Amino acid sequence: QKEVEQDPGPLSVPEGAIVSLNCTYSNSAFQYFMWYRQYSRKGPELLMYTYSSGNKEDGRFTAQVDKSSKYISLFIRDSQPSDSATYLCAMGDKGAQKLVFGQGTRLTINP
Amino acid sequence: NAGVTQTPKFQVLKTGQSMTLQCAQDMNHNSMYWYRQDPGMGLRLIYYSASEGTTDKGEVPNGYNVSRLNKREFSLRLESAAPSQTSVYFCASIEAGGPGEQFFGPGTRLTVL
Repeated sequence: QKEVEQDPGPLSVPEGAIVSLNCTYSNSAFQYFMWYRQYSRKGPELLMYTYSSGNKEDGRFTAQVDKSSKYISLFIRDSQPSDSATYLCAMGDKGAQKLVFGQGTRLTINP
Repeated sequence: NAGVTQTPKFQVLKTGQSMTLQCAQDMNHNSMYWYRQDPGMGLRLIYYSASEGTTDKGEVPNGYNVSRLNKREFSLRLESAAPSQTSVYFCASIEAGGPGEQFFGPGTRLTVL
């Protein structure tokens, strides 16, 4: 079993829809949770960064962490065609030198 | 500020050939990483360097070697390329090692025939 599991999709939704992307993990020591966005043929870029449990909102994006269920989510409201990309979750524990990434979910927003 | 740069952008090798992928960052970061990305596999860590002068194996180090030439540069070498090493390679850096934001380069697309 992988330490971090993410449904690779692909996921295709109409413009304006609410998108939900999810990851599960098995390492209870993880405290730092991130979402990276990767456009086609580009390197990943950090989108959201949360510490421990709870919600964090940034514009149309909301990141949720439920440590009791070992489950994290990224919600995109009023999705736009420019949100079409691969979204990778990543996580790490305090003092760790490295992150563990999910497989990535390929998302397409149709105009 | 160029951020993280990688060369070359594309490369085609024959089985058994060797090559070095170059990575440089101009953000004065201490830690640098090499990943490979394959369809459906996400990013897998090959090697990392927590600071100048140190390197450590990641999840998939077999068939690769690295050199942290100085604080700016971290190279990845394939001594005898195999078709299984066909992938997109990303270099990343972070100010200090740990679970923080990693800054990624644009990637090198490598095909081994």
